[in-house]
Amino acid sequence: DGGITQSPKYLFRKEGQNVTLSCEQNLNHDAMYWYRQDPGQGLRLIYYSQIVNDFQKGDIAEGYSVSREKKESFPLTVTSAQKNPTAFYLCASRRTSANTGELFFGEGSRLTVL
Amino acid sequence: AQRVTQPEKLLSVFKGAPVELKCNYSYSGSPELFWYVQYSRQRLQLLLRHISRESIKGFTADLNKGETSFHLKKPFAQEEDSAMYYCALNTGFQKLVFGTGTRLLVSP
Repeated sequence: DGGITQSPKYLFRKEGQNVTLSCEQNLNHDAMYWYRQDPGQGLRLIYYSQIVNDFQKGDIAEGYSVSREKKESFPLTVTSAQKNPTAFYLCASRRTSANTGELFFGEGSRLTVL
Repeated sequence: AQRVTQPEKLLSVFKGAPVELKCNYSYSGSPELFWYVQYSRQRLQLLLRHISRESIKGFTADLNKGETSFHLKKPFAQEEDSAMYYCALNTGFQKLVFGTGTRLLVSP
């Protein structure tokens, strides 16, 4: 079953704890993205990666970190420095050679900080 | 500044009525625009892109550079069109800037 898999779907965290969200894709896509979705604010870009071992900050990178050690994996860590981490997080990927602009999204992970 | 504006949070119409979801953008270069859709309990997915000039599920969108708009239109709405619609702008390296979204509700 090809696509993007995010885990966990739901996650609860206490204040002060770091948490890592998983994103795996088997589409052989080069580029991967993390977006945050909040009601009334749409999707905002956190980090993106065009190739393995390289990534760039998006518009709201503060309090987040990522790694891209493998082509198929792009985990996002929400650190205790993120002031308002409760949100819905979406991972996406894209085939860079296509240049179509089409992003393929995962089902999302909902993080709640207690 | 690179920005996408969707002024309507909610658009409610009856089945068979025409639909227009508004999208305006701010971008200094040559814009590349998209409409994405999220149906209930489904993933966000691409609906159409302006470069293709295609009609998907009866929806069309024309890029108007003079008015900096990319409104999504459908002449006769169907109940299955009810979803969240996002307009998006490619700001380079396929970094998409999304609007805040418009929820379309089509009533029978």
